[in-house]
Amino acid sequence: SQKIEQNSEALNIQEGKTATLTCNYTNYSPAYLQWYRQDPGRGPVFLLLIRENEKEKRKERLKVTFDTTLKQSLFHITASQPADSATYLCALALNNNDMRFGAGTRLTVKP
Amino acid sequence: EPEVTQTPSHQVTQMGQEVILRCVPISNHLYFYWYRQILGQKVEFLVSFYNNEISEKSEIFDDQFSVERPDGSNFTLKIRSTKLEDSAMYFCASGLARSGNQPQHFGDGTRLSIL
Repeated sequence: SQKIEQNSEALNIQEGKTATLTCNYTNYSPAYLQWYRQDPGRGPVFLLLIRENEKEKRKERLKVTFDTTLKQSLFHITASQPADSATYLCALALNNNDMRFGAGTRLTVKP
Repeated sequence: EPEVTQTPSHQVTQMGQEVILRCVPISNHLYFYWYRQILGQKVEFLVSFYNNEISEKSEIFDDQFSVERPDGSNFTLKIRSTKLEDSAMYFCASGLARSGNQPQHFGDGTRLSIL
């Protein structure tokens, strides 16, 4: 069956450290993979998109990798801040219009 | 910055009643989506809409659901006869192109509570 799994439901780290979130998928062949941030009571907000032929993408303190052999994406936040505390969702975009979301990882950055 | 707006923010409805959730997508976007998120669970795709017709729909989007873009600006989701299990956050999203190649822009959702 098709699955998208994000490594853990919750991740707690100290301010200034690098947060690494994992997204693994099975029985999908996504052309693109996207990461979103969701705050409580709000809609998801787009962060980064990476294509299947790209290995890595960066935006300010964010970095995404995409390994289609391992069927895995890693999402890194460097120099993390308490304001980075949120739920982070990975989403697989297939060749049709469908987007499939993972359940998310709730990140807490402690001062 | 343009944004997707959804109304109402909270809708309380008796089971069996019809409900219409409204969305105003970003004006130059061409693709429109509805998702739902049951409390504590993941965001689930319901339907995508392009060129005034449904492009894709999930198994959740059964005959009790319908979508419409009645006037070129609003995008609505109708649930004909609501059930208790329809209680969830419903998110509208819009995008410039097909979902994979472009980000989707989400509204802040309508919380639907079925009594």
